Amino acid sequence: DTEVTQTPKHLVMGMTNKKSLKCEQHMGHRAMYWYKQKAKKPPELMFVYSYEKLSINESVPSRFSPECPNSSLLNLHLHALQPEDSALYLCASSRGGEVHETQYFGPGTRLLVL
Amino acid sequence: GQNIDQPTEMTATEGAIVQINCTYQTSGFNGLFWYQQHAGEAPTFLSYNVLDGLEEKGRFSSFLSRSKGYSYLLLKELQMKDSASYLCAVAVQAGTALIFGKGTTLSVSS
Repeated sequence: DTEVTQTPKHLVMGMTNKKSLKCEQHMGHRAMYWYKQKAKKPPELMFVYSYEKLSINESVPSRFSPECPNSSLLNLHLHALQPEDSALYLCASSRGGEVHETQYFGPGTRLLVL
Repeated sequence: GQNIDQPTEMTATEGAIVQINCTYQTSGFNGLFWYQQHAGEAPTFLSYNVLDGLEEKGRFSSFLSRSKGYSYLLLKELQMKDSASYLCAVAVQAGTALIFGKGTTLSVSS
């Protein structure tokens, strides 16, 4: 089983709203990632959690706030977003702690900020 | 800096063979991945190379030359469903995220 699930699939929000994206995996992976992908562009890393600790934060604006409640769950809290934040938000996971790892992606949440 | 180059678009016909090239210059190297992404969907893992040589998986093969900073993805017996974007990605070091190329959009026609 190499499934990463994400909810919701689609989200429309106003610039004053607060919403959360959720990601879950039950593969026993200990590394989880958030990527942002704009149309016709490659995924760009936002955050990496390794063993539930934030290990990489690629200078993402504070209106994006990640949270890793446990090894299976990863959230991305959204607040006061801008229209340019509209994108596909991808969650991925990998085993963690190994030299060579494959990242498996979830289906993504397509976000539209109005 | 990190740089991964691949052609923007390629076209081919059903049943043909197509090779998608990828060159990279990165600060480190811990493996190269190929992902397939259909429009509006998540990337799907295709292959992983960390040692030089050819890895074959059914209709898809991937090749790596670390000394040349070069990889290719070979797709045989093309089908219409192979129309997608193909992303080359490098793991710069263990335990870090991937750096993606801009992707190659492959269009397969009948």
